[in-house]
Formats: sequence, structure tokens, C-alpha cells
Amino acid sequence: GAVVSQHPSWVICKSGTSVKIECRSLDFQATTMFWYRQFPKQSLMLMATSNEGSKATYEQGVEKDKFLINHASLTLSTLTVTSAHPEDSSFYICSAPPVGADTQYFGPGTRLTVL
Amino acid sequence: DAKTTQPNSMESNEEEPVHLPCNHSTISGTDYIHWYRQLPSQGPEYVIHGLTSNVNNRMASLAIAEDRKSSTLILHRATLRDAAVYYCILINNAGNMLTFGGGTRLMVKP
Repeated sequence: GAVVSQHPSWVICKSGTSVKIECRSLDFQATTMFWYRQFPKQSLMLMATSNEGSKATYEQGVEKDKFLINHASLTLSTLTVTSAHPEDSSFYICSAPPVGADTQYFGPGTRLTVL
Repeated sequence: DAKTTQPNSMESNEEEPVHLPCNHSTISGTDYIHWYRQLPSQGPEYVIHGLTSNVNNRMASLAIAEDRKSSTLILHRATLRDAAVYYCILINNAGNMLTFGGGTRLMVKP
């Protein structure tokens, strides 16, 4: 099946710093990618939809100035957590549907720990 | 998106079949029924999906009720590696955003 990668797989940073997470579709193109956040023992929560060549669409309650999304190409979307705080510590997961496909493929996730 | 309801958890013995139920009474005619599973500390993995007819693949079978208000994911022989959280999700053909419910945590006993 299609492969989606994320980098880094885990990151520890100090409070106040910014962290960039990359999501790549390795063997297909995706005009849209999705970013999710998952806290321990909870389900995935959609944060935003990343659109290639246009602005991302954010879900209600997600600060667009804090979670910067850039969909630079048909195979790459990045999520930057700006001025990270301990409450931003979470498991961040991206997904991408191949163009024309009716299913999605998920990345392995990035675990962010903010000290 | 229409909502789905799943039991919080289920237990199974290794090598036995497992039937994971999902209720989706408000499903619309264009909603596909998708199943994903998530192993600990990993991203969700696609399992199977269908619209009206039952579906089979190498991982599982999907049985869809005639009125489409419920479905059942069937693992024919559970293994320890099948222990995961299984999510039943409805996706319409107009978009592919996934809304995750609570899922069912499947525990497999040796």
C-alpha cells in the first residue's frame, strides 16, 4: 500500500521554542493532507486540512498562528508548532489520500514532548 | 459527518474469530464505512471499507447490514498482533476528512 512518512518520529524541546514536523507521501501525490493530534488514551482529533498551493483550513479551537501549516508540494506538508508549551506535548499524526483514492494512509506519528 | 458508536473494549482469545460491531444509524446514502486500526504509538492503519455489499480482504471481512445502519468487522483468527484500537468511520464521497470516534480497544489473550 501507499506509504506516508513523518519526521522526526519524536522530539523533545524546551518551552518557547518552535518545532517543525514533516509529512511526506513517498509513492503518491496528495493535494490534501490532514493533521491530527492525539493525547494519551484519547482518540485522534483533526487539527487542520493542508491544501497544496493554498491556505490550510483549521478546525474550530485550533490556533492558526500557533500551528503553522505549509503544503509546499504534492508530496510534502509541514506543521510548525510555534512557541511550544508543555500543554502542546502530544502525538501528532498526518494522513494523506492519494489523488482519486477513497481511502487514506497515515504517517507513523511524531511524539512531541515540551519541557 | 454521521456518527458511529462502538463498544469501548472487547476481549478475544488467540486463534478465535472476533466480531467488532459498529452502529451508524444516521448514515447517509453516500457514506462509505471505513475501518482503521491503531497499534500503540503508531499511526492508524487502513483495514477495510465498503458501501453496501460485504467485503473481504487479506486482513479482515466487513459485514454490512441490509439497512446499512450497522456493520461488523470480522477478524477470522485473532493473533496477539491484532491487539489494537479499531475505529469505524463514515466518509462521504464529497470529501475525505476522517472524524474519529472513541474506537474499540481489542485485547487478545494467549
